Amino acid sequence: GENVEQHPSTLSVQEGDSAVIKCTYSDSASNYFPWYKQELGKRPQLIIDIRSNVGEKKDQRIAVTLNKTAKHFSLHITETQPEDSAVYFCAAPPKFNAGGTSYGKLTFGQGTILTVHP
Amino acid sequence: EAGVAQSPRYKIIEKRQSVAFWCNPISGHATLYWYQQILGQGPKLLIQFQNNGVVDDSQLPKDRFSAERLKGVDSTLKIQPAKLEDSAVYLCASSLERTRGYNEQFFGPGTRLTVL
Repeated sequence: GENVEQHPSTLSVQEGDSAVIKCTYSDSASNYFPWYKQELGKRPQLIIDIRSNVGEKKDQRIAVTLNKTAKHFSLHITETQPEDSAVYFCAAPPKFNAGGTSYGKLTFGQGTILTVHP
Repeated sequence: EAGVAQSPRYKIIEKRQSVAFWCNPISGHATLYWYQQILGQGPKLLIQFQNNGVVDDSQLPKDRFSAERLKGVDSTLKIQPAKLEDSAVYLCASSLERTRGYNEQFFGPGTRLTVL
């Protein structure tokens, strides 16, 4: 199955700085890469995703970049704010078997605890 | 739209006891997932349903865990008997049906299980 490695495990920044979280995946056929944000005691929520036909996607202060050759994708948060403090998870789909389906199954990374200091 | 509902929110049991969790997905979502999230880790898929059929249960400890999704809507996850290492948050998620490709997974608030 897919192996997803996420780094760093913790990240501390000052308000206004940028934060970058990186994930690597093992299956070169993977084609969908979402990022979820989980605030303390709350449910994970999708913040941005990218499909393999593009190299970058932006949504206001957040962006995701994808390097298919190197099999890694990264989350970039600019002008960080204290409310960005949370755990961030990347995910990737498993390897398709020939003729098989995944019905949207995802393998999640281990998570990055982001702390933004005022 | 209403989100994914789960109950109970918290449960404390002793080892070897049994416990059941309930999930009501977003209306119209054919795909339902149960995840186990151990403290400090990412969600780990336990079982995935497409309508009322099981698509993937390869990581479900079938000697103690069971799940069902009657009528393709609500789902229950049961643990019997529970072990200390089952202490975790159990998350239910749902998404629109796709045979290939991906739709956003919407998560419920989770059930925090503590096994003493």
